Amino acid sequence: RKEVEQDPGPFNVPEGATVAFNCTYSNSASQSFFWYRQDCRKEPKLLMSVYSSGNEDGRFTAQLNRASQYISLLIRDSKLSDSATYLCVVNMRPQGGSEKLVFGKGTKLTVNP
Amino acid sequence: DAGVTQSPTHLIKTRGQQVTLRCSPKSGHDTVSWYQQALGQGPQFIFQYYEEEERQRGNFPDRFSGHQFPNYSSELNVNALLLGDSALYLCASSLTGLFGELFFGEGSRLTVL
Repeated sequence: RKEVEQDPGPFNVPEGATVAFNCTYSNSASQSFFWYRQDCRKEPKLLMSVYSSGNEDGRFTAQLNRASQYISLLIRDSKLSDSATYLCVVNMRPQGGSEKLVFGKGTKLTVNP
Repeated sequence: DAGVTQSPTHLIKTRGQQVTLRCSPKSGHDTVSWYQQALGQGPQFIFQYYEEEERQRGNFPDRFSGHQFPNYSSELNVNALLLGDSALYLCASSLTGLFGELFFGEGSRLTVL
């Protein structure tokens, strides 16, 4: 099982739609979680940090389910500018090892006019 | 306030050659991490530097080495280049204790022929 797995996508949605991405992780000891956004041929940028059960920032809501080991990202009222690849990132601490950030492969979102 | 800067932005090398990539972290940041991102994949962790020492390392061979200087800038060196080393190399800076909140540079795109 991969350490971090994301919906393969791609997602194509119309403007104004609500879209949700899921991400599962393998290490139950993981403590912190992040969503990054990466535009085409650009660097990743931090979108949200998720330290407890969830976080909301405007149209974006991240939820964490520790029992099921998944994180979700919900985008409401999608804008054309939301088109990007969304990367799920998990801060893991392998047994006997030091913490490390593991990135998922990303889910590509295209918002259409 | 300058963000993370990387150089060069693009470079082409041939198999067997060596390459050095450079990174200046965001002002005030003391930790630098390097990632490799192949096309269609998420970033893969190479290593992290703090206080001029390699603090963590991902699953990359010894051909990948690095350095951090007293001013927190960093270099990534790759020896004996292989075709599979072709990728976008991303440098990210952060503050100690905020491990997951990374600020990325625009990357150095390496092509190995």
